[in-house]
Amino acid sequence: EVQLVESGGGLVQPGGSLRLSCAASGFTFSDHYMDWVRQAPGKGLEWVGRTRNKANSYTTEYAASVKGRFTISRDDSKNSLYLQMNSLKTEDTAVYYCARVGLDYDSSGEQSLMDVWGKGTTVTVSS
Amino acid sequence: SYVLTQPPSVSVAPGKTARITCGGNNIGSKSVHWYQQKPGQAPVLVIYYDSDRPSGIPERFSGSNSGNTATLTISRVEAGDEADYYCQVWDSSSDRHVVFGGGTKLTVL
Repeated sequence: EVQLVESGGGLVQPGGSLRLSCAASGFTFSDHYMDWVRQAPGKGLEWVGRTRNKANSYTTEYAASVKGRFTISRDDSKNSLYLQMNSLKTEDTAVYYCARVGLDYDSSGEQSLMDVWGKGTTVTVSS
Repeated sequence: SYVLTQPPSVSVAPGKTARITCGGNNIGSKSVHWYQQKPGQAPVLVIYYDSDRPSGIPERFSGSNSGNTATLTISRVEAGDEADYYCQVWDSSSDRHVVFGGGTKLTVL
């Protein structure tokens, strides 16, 4: 069964750090780009960022709201994705989902659809 | 940056057809994906590349994309279709990133 399981969420003070993990199983993790998406309480989905695969040099992209504070990494030998979050703000409070990016290329030349999602892990930034 | 605009809410009676729009500048030139999210659950892909359906998604779900509007159509709406729906594209401009619409709450009357 294809599965993504996030962990590492919790309560952290503003200015603090947290590292989220996403364990993948049931598919060839190393083939896929992987995304992080978050959802603040009562709000819509917000894309956080992406890591591409080894064939694309593990390049990363980030939303402007997290660039310079968050870092996405992966360990293909462990089938794991990570999100290192530093300098956390109250507005980073959200459920964080990891998502598998599908292998096909869209009209813009990018792999863009998210076909498998984890159940999410909750991050609360509060004093 | 690229913006996707969805109506906050759509209401429909059971058995009728629901249409949820997603507006964006020349969105017809982009590939649009749609996700369904029920309360307390993760999003689920229901339409990809404008009009394709993943396995397991009922044929009642369809999509189209032209000009400045993409549309998710749900025929013969059922109570279980009540959820939030999000459209999504990849913005390949200088600031390369995923863009989500604001989401539409579908209410089945």
